Amino acid sequence: GENVEQHPSTLSVQEGDSAVIKCTYSDSASNYFPWYKQELGKGPQLIIDIRSNVGEKKDQRIAVTLNKTAKHFSLHITETQPEDSAVYFCAARGLTGGGNKLTFGTGTQLKVEL
Amino acid sequence: DAGITQSPRHKVTETGTPVTLRCHQTENHRYMYWYRQDPGHGLRLIHYSYGVKDTDKGEVSDGYSVSRSKTEDFLLTLESATSSQTSVYFCAISEFMGLREQFFGPGTRLTVL
Repeated sequence: GENVEQHPSTLSVQEGDSAVIKCTYSDSASNYFPWYKQELGKGPQLIIDIRSNVGEKKDQRIAVTLNKTAKHFSLHITETQPEDSAVYFCAARGLTGGGNKLTFGTGTQLKVEL
Repeated sequence: DAGITQSPRHKVTETGTPVTLRCHQTENHRYMYWYRQDPGHGLRLIHYSYGVKDTDKGEVSDGYSVSRSKTEDFLLTLESATSSQTSVYFCAISEFMGLREQFFGPGTRLTVL
């Protein structure tokens, strides 16, 4: 099945700086890569996703890049704000080994300091 | 927000007792999922359902069973709770499987003493 590794586990940035979270995956057939944001006491919410036929996708201050050759994808947040503080999860949809389900990374605690 | 509720939101129980968690949706989505969230492990799939009475195992299904008798309800049962099942449990739904967003419920915090 799919295996997803996520780094770093914690990230602290100053307000206005950029934040980058990286994930690698193992199943070369994976074709869908969502990113979720989880605020304290709530369930995860999708913030952006990318399919394997696209290399980059942007939505205002958030962007995701995908490198299929290296099997890694990254979340980029620009001009960070205090409300960006949360736990972020990457995920990948694998297809081999009875896949077709999402496998999640272990999460990154992002703290945006004033 | 997607119409997903989970009950109870918090539960404390003792080792060896049965526990049932309920997920209820008002979106009429076909697919429903149960995950557990633990520090250092992210979200791990326990079981999922692709229709009424149609369920399958995820990566951490041992000790758990599920049932779906109606489109809107997906039940997760711990037949005999153990301390290793102390966790936060999330239900999720999706209209399609795979290339579509999964919407998550608010979670149930379960403590097994």
